[in-house]
Amino acid sequence: GAVVSQHPSWVICKSGTSVKIECRSLDFQATTMFWYRQFPKQSLMLMATSNEGSKATYEQGVEKDKFLINHASLTLSTLTVTSAHPEDSSFYICSAREWSGLLTYEQYFGPGTRLTVT
Amino acid sequence: DAKTTQPPSMDCAEGRAANLPCNHSTISGNEYVYWYRQIHSQGPQYIIHGLKNNETNEMASLIITEDRKSSTLILPHATLRDTAVYYCIVRVGGNQFYFGTGTSLTVIP
Repeated sequence: GAVVSQHPSWVICKSGTSVKIECRSLDFQATTMFWYRQFPKQSLMLMATSNEGSKATYEQGVEKDKFLINHASLTLSTLTVTSAHPEDSSFYICSAREWSGLLTYEQYFGPGTRLTVT
Repeated sequence: DAKTTQPPSMDCAEGRAANLPCNHSTISGNEYVYWYRQIHSQGPQYIIHGLKNNETNEMASLIITEDRKSSTLILPHATLRDTAVYYCIVRVGGNQFYFGTGTSLTVIP
């Protein structure tokens, strides 16, 4: 199957600083990428949908000025957590969509990035 | 969006078939059923998906009822490495996946 990578796999930052997380589709072109957040013992929560060359669409309750998403190419999307605070500590996961037909597709997930804000 | 309901946890003996149920009673005719699993601290892994017909691949089988209101994921010979949280997702016409709470499957030696 298609491979999605994330970098870094884990990061520790101080409160008030910004952190950038990269998501890459390694062997396919991803016109659409997605960003999720997962707190301990909880399910994945969709944060935003990112289409190449256009602005991201954020889910209700997700602050777009805090979570900046850039999808400048067909293989790279970045999530920047600005002015991070301890409550932003979470597991951030990206996914990318690969078409396998007109109506059906598979969404491939990255390995996740563990963010800890101290 | 169609919502899914899954039991929070299940156990299965190693080597036996694991049958994971999912209810999606509000599913519409053009909505697909997807199954993913997540092993602790990793990204979700695609397993299988289907619309109305039963599907089988090298990982699992997906059985969808005729009225499409429920489905069952079958792992034919569960191994310890199949211990994970399994998510049943119904995808609407758009792109997004909305994850439910999933089923935590524990395969017991």
